[in-house]
Amino acid sequence: QSVLTQPPSVSAAPGQKVTISCSGSSSNLGSNYVSWYQHLPGAAPKLLIYENNKRPSGIPDRFSGSKSGTSGSLGITGLQTGDEADYYCGTWDNSGFYAFGTGTKVTVL
Amino acid sequence: QVQLVESGGGVVQPGTSLRLSCAASGFTFSYSPMHWVRQAPGKGLEWVALMSYDGNTKYVDSVKGRFTISRDNSKNTLHLQMNSLRAEDTAVYYCARGIYGSGSYKYLDYWGQGTLVTVSS
Repeated sequence: QSVLTQPPSVSAAPGQKVTISCSGSSSNLGSNYVSWYQHLPGAAPKLLIYENNKRPSGIPDRFSGSKSGTSGSLGITGLQTGDEADYYCGTWDNSGFYAFGTGTKVTVL
Repeated sequence: QVQLVESGGGVVQPGTSLRLSCAASGFTFSYSPMHWVRQAPGKGLEWVALMSYDGNTKYVDSVKGRFTISRDNSKNTLHLQMNSLRAEDTAVYYCARGIYGSGSYKYLDYWGQGTLVTVSS
């Protein structure tokens, strides 16, 4: 099982905000950057946030990230139906592997 | 633009082998760490293996001794040799480019569309 824990699901109405948490430990999030990935059904996963809070070119500023200690979080504001997807946090674990979170399904009500 | 195209998936019986390939273009392949990530039906993303630009490898415990990651920098191609396949290896397999810095593999910035591997008798 994953060393990074996320809530299974979050939901909100269009235009509202959701926050997804990612909980780890000192060997992973406590000493390495967190990144976030969006995975739409049938599509390739997409990098949303890297190095805790940076957005790749083309990712709207509705998506934001942060990290504190052994936890990270992803915020999505102005929620749109196109944001319905699975979201995963990720980080390097100093034991020698890359870890993904358990995944969170975002539903737009 | 960066492109990653996986191939080689299919339906195989337990205990047999399969070799996946990932053709890369649009970036300097030989300088980039590369990863394999999989997603089993109804499950989340699971990191499988990585190969650094200089040939160092890492694997998830469940595939150690059965899977081998390799790369051919002359052909800009990443491979995953999968032996002794099990039903639990059934998944879509993605290759992804990694970014390394400050002593760790920081994130995966480009991903392929994936190739489906089904292990079933």
